[in-house]
Amino acid sequence: EDQVTQSPEALRLQEGESSSLNCSYTVSGLRGLFWYRQDPGKGPEFLFTLYSAGEEKEKERLKATLTKKESFLHITAPKPEDSATYLCAVQADSNDYKLSFGAGTTVTVRA
Amino acid sequence: EAQVTQNPRYLITVTGKKLTVTCSQNMNHEYMSWYRQDPGLGLRQIYYSMNVEVTDKGDVPEGYKVSRKEKRNFPLILESPSPNQTSLYFCASSLAASNQPQHFGDGTRLSIL
Repeated sequence: EDQVTQSPEALRLQEGESSSLNCSYTVSGLRGLFWYRQDPGKGPEFLFTLYSAGEEKEKERLKATLTKKESFLHITAPKPEDSATYLCAVQADSNDYKLSFGAGTTVTVRA
Repeated sequence: EAQVTQNPRYLITVTGKKLTVTCSQNMNHEYMSWYRQDPGLGLRQIYYSMNVEVTDKGDVPEGYKVSRKEKRNFPLILESPSPNQTSLYFCASSLAASNQPQHFGDGTRLSIL
């Protein structure tokens, strides 16, 4: 069974204080790893897809990286508007019709 | 505007009273899916649909039904709701099942008393 574990559960940062979120996964053949952002009262919003180890993608202050066992979402010099819950999900070769999600990391950035 | 629309956004009801949560997408997506989100458990898939008239169970299908009679609509039906179905529900769609980012609605919060 595909498993996704995110850590930490919650992260409180000062504005400008860079940090990283971790997503560890166990899957029989990775088809893709997805990062989403979820704001309170909203549905998840797509950020990135990573397909193979060594791949990196960036968007503004966010950078996602992928290894064979985990992915990191780096937040560089965060701003209060980066406060959200970040979700990681994997899609397996054997189950390419579904996403398996982690429980998420809630990031709070204080001004 | 490309979007996934769910209705209602909030519903409080009682055990055993049948309810339907509607989901509609305007992006001509083939794949649609329903999830429930519970604290500490993340999003879990209830049912999915690869195309019109093609549906299948996800990880937690018990107590739910779905139908896909039109490409744009994918309603979630609770025939006899129970308190353990109190949750936040999300509908999602994508161009295809594989390797495509899913677009989510804004959720439906259901409380079953």
